[in-house]
Amino acid sequence: EAQVTQNPRYLITVTGKKLTVTCSQNMNHEYMSWYRQDPGLGLRQIYYSMNVEVTDKGDVPEGYKVSRKEKRNFPLILESPSPNQTSLYFCASSIIPLGYGYTFGSGTRLTVV
Amino acid sequence: EDKVVQSPLSLVVHEGDTVTLNCSYEVTNFRSLLWYKQEKKAPTFLFMLTSSGIEKKSGRLSSILDKKELFSILNITATQTGDSAIYLCAVVRSGNQFYFGTGTSLTVIP
Repeated sequence: EAQVTQNPRYLITVTGKKLTVTCSQNMNHEYMSWYRQDPGLGLRQIYYSMNVEVTDKGDVPEGYKVSRKEKRNFPLILESPSPNQTSLYFCASSIIPLGYGYTFGSGTRLTVV
Repeated sequence: EDKVVQSPLSLVVHEGDTVTLNCSYEVTNFRSLLWYKQEKKAPTFLFMLTSSGIEKKSGRLSSILDKKELFSILNITATQTGDSAIYLCAVVRSGNQFYFGTGTSLTVIP
């Protein structure tokens, strides 16, 4: 089954403790992206990647890092999480050219206390 | 600044009603506009629009784009409780960035 898999689904952590949210897709998509979704603000892009070793900042990259060492994986790293990073995170992938629609992962609900 | 604005923010209707959701945009180097439906989980793809005036249709849902006036509408006829969701509009620009609106929350009551 074609899918984007995120882990974990839920995570509660403490301020400053490094964490990684994994994302993997099995569709051989070139394009992958991370979003956060907050009430009243919609989906905001954090980082995206056009292909292996190619990453770019989205609208809200501060406090996040990503890597794309393999085509299928695009982990999101929070080196020192803060409470304002409490949010619902989605990983998504797409073929290129874009516009044919993302396939989204199921989401990761992160709470930083 | 590129932006996508959806209206209304929230809508409550009775089953059987017809609704129209709006999405206006100001995005440079427009490539396409997408509609998604989000229930309690990940958004699912509904439509992609690239050309003005060509209606896309899927069952009771339809959508059209006006590239001159920079907006799109999503129509849902004969609404059902299963249509209750957040409907997201996204615009793709060249340079491979997506801009999402904040969404319209639709509640359909029996």
